[in-house]
Amino acid sequence: KAGVTQTPRYLIKTRGQQVTLSCSPISGHRSVSWYQQTPGQGLQFLFEYFSETQRNKGNFPGRFSGRQFSNSRSEMNVSTLELGDSALYLCASSGTGTAIEQYFGPGTRLTVT
Amino acid sequence: GENVEQHPSTLSVQEGDSAVIKCTYSDSASNYFPWYKQELGKRPQLIIDIRSNVGEKKDQRIAVTLNKTAKHFSLHITETQPEDSAVYFCAASRQAGTALIFGKGTTLSVSS
Repeated sequence: KAGVTQTPRYLIKTRGQQVTLSCSPISGHRSVSWYQQTPGQGLQFLFEYFSETQRNKGNFPGRFSGRQFSNSRSEMNVSTLELGDSALYLCASSGTGTAIEQYFGPGTRLTVT
Repeated sequence: GENVEQHPSTLSVQEGDSAVIKCTYSDSASNYFPWYKQELGKRPQLIIDIRSNVGEKKDQRIAVTLNKTAKHFSLHITETQPEDSAVYFCAASRQAGTALIFGKGTTLSVSS
């Protein structure tokens, strides 16, 4: 099976702009979670989607949003970018039943200037 | 909400020695505890996990122990090798497959 894929891999944006990141889960996985990784804060949970519904949300401002499509692919959007949004954004997918381990994609490196 | 503390933040060992990383969690409802290894520039990779109904789990040179009463769990790596050098993260969640709350990570350096 192909692993979790994320596009784009690298992105440079200017403060105030918005950005959309995409995540394609492992085939058959219906849960997609998003995490922000920074040197200072480590790995922080953003939100989790299952069957097109947001099931959990972390402690991030409303500028961070996401959605999931019927094919389980997910997107996250960050509006009004700030310098502090520069980070590696990782998504992870997991299955159902006993296949509940989360597998990460390679991440999108976002730099805000 | 859940808080996961991880110690130590850095760990240096000689090849062949054992390494132990410890984590504590705050939410007594947490019942799933995975460990991830992240090499420089790469994605976190799941190396082992444990559920709350199990006290210990082993996979070759890696083992994880869980003490639910004390709310702490540990990763043990025996016979360390240079390729074990990486950042290791512990995590906890209330339900496997949902939000993972991560520790800050431990940078393990294995010198030959």
